[in-house]
Amino acid sequence: DAGITQSPRHKVTETGTPVTLRCHQTENHRYMYWYRQDPGHGLRLIHYSYGVKDTDKGEVSDGYSVSRSKTEDFLLTLESATSSQTSVYFCAISGADSSYEQYFGPGTRLTVT
Amino acid sequence: DAKTTQPNSMESNEEEPVHLPCNHSTISGTDYIHWYRQLPSQGPEYVIHGLTSNVNNRMASLAIAEDRKSSTLILHRATLRDAAVYYCILRQSFGNEKLTFGTGTRLTIIP
Repeated sequence: DAGITQSPRHKVTETGTPVTLRCHQTENHRYMYWYRQDPGHGLRLIHYSYGVKDTDKGEVSDGYSVSRSKTEDFLLTLESATSSQTSVYFCAISGADSSYEQYFGPGTRLTVT
Repeated sequence: DAKTTQPNSMESNEEEPVHLPCNHSTISGTDYIHWYRQLPSQGPEYVIHGLTSNVNNRMASLAIAEDRKSSTLILHRATLRDAAVYYCILRQSFGNEKLTFGTGTRLTIIP
């Protein structure tokens, strides 16, 4: 299994509070991604990174920010959590070639009350 | 991004082959065809990918139509552990590392 972990694995928070999710990899892969998954939907890309301090928006980036100060860590921050951000969040990593597969973490279940 | 179309659900008997179809009529010449699956309560996992030729690996086979407008993921002998949602995804080969997931096909294996 690819060395990718997510923390926390579960979190319950209140509306309006800031939340940071962490993705950590031990594979030294260049690309890292944050997705969310809601019932009835496939995974939707929030943000991705193609190198340290290099990030870009995905299709559902509103309300989220990211940072990548080290190759191994990719942080997802909800500045002020809302109930619509209740979801399961997956981190993924991949190498530099477009044909390379993405490896996914175990997911973080976030509930905003 | 080019789009894929898959049936919402399929059923198959245990120990029989399973053919999961995917249509991608707007595929471009540089798009790779990727398949991922997601087991219950887990993140997606890579299954197989191809460009033009049929591909085999330890998990499955990928049959790609000659015009590349459709493909079929083949599980040669389904087990209960193959029950999952299977996603067919087109991935651009130049300068774009993103995957766009649809809703996939939910495969149920009947014992």
